[in-house]
Amino acid sequence: QLQLQESGPGLVQPSETLSLICNVSGGSITTRDRGSSGDYWGWIRQPPGKGLEWIGNIHDSGSVFYNPSLRSRVTISVDTSRNHFSLKVTSVTAADTAVYFCARRKLPYHFDLWGQGALVTVS
Amino acid sequence: QSALTQPPSASGPLGQSVTISCTGTSNDIGRFNSVSWYQQHPGKAPKLLIFEVTSRPSGVPLRFSGSKSGNTASLTVSGLQTDDEADYFCSSYAGSNTLVFGTGTQVTVL
Repeated sequence: QLQLQESGPGLVQPSETLSLICNVSGGSITTRDRGSSGDYWGWIRQPPGKGLEWIGNIHDSGSVFYNPSLRSRVTISVDTSRNHFSLKVTSVTAADTAVYFCARRKLPYHFDLWGQGALVTVS
Repeated sequence: QSALTQPPSASGPLGQSVTISCTGTSNDIGRFNSVSWYQQHPGKAPKLLIFEVTSRPSGVPLRFSGSKSGNTASLTVSGLQTDDEADYFCSSYAGSNTLVFGTGTQVTVL
């Protein structure tokens, strides 16, 4: 059964870069259902006590889409050989403190499988 | 790209129903049939309840149903159970390969 797990530092200093990895286990990140071009893999964050914010999605081909409000500071990449995808957020501030979730995006546009989440504190 | 608007809280008696609204614009909910709903218990990851406005993933009870009219989508939870106490979030495709989430609604079972 496919599972997602976020990993990375739980504390990042202001103005530094936040880096997280989402490890995909129990299956390949490049798996194709019959007739499908494959899934997108996404990042979503949730500040403490607040709502969800979509960060971006990436396909194993490298095609990537970002939230316009975060595009200038965010990079999402995929490493198919290691079966994981990554998130980097540069120049972080306290406003970037959040639980960061990785998830699998299915067509047309919903997330059906989520990691447990990783709390990242900027301080 | 603004968050979709949900009421902060909603409640209903045990065994009865509650309906949560999710209001967007003609650029997201009003234009696309890609509305999803998620349930989130404290300290847990969101769980997909509804996708494509009305579709339920395997394993989600029939008690959860979705609808849409104009720029507003709705989630109805029927036969409320204590485990339905949670936060609920909507989302919608917003064009140009972007997604927007709702502000979230905390549901209480009375």
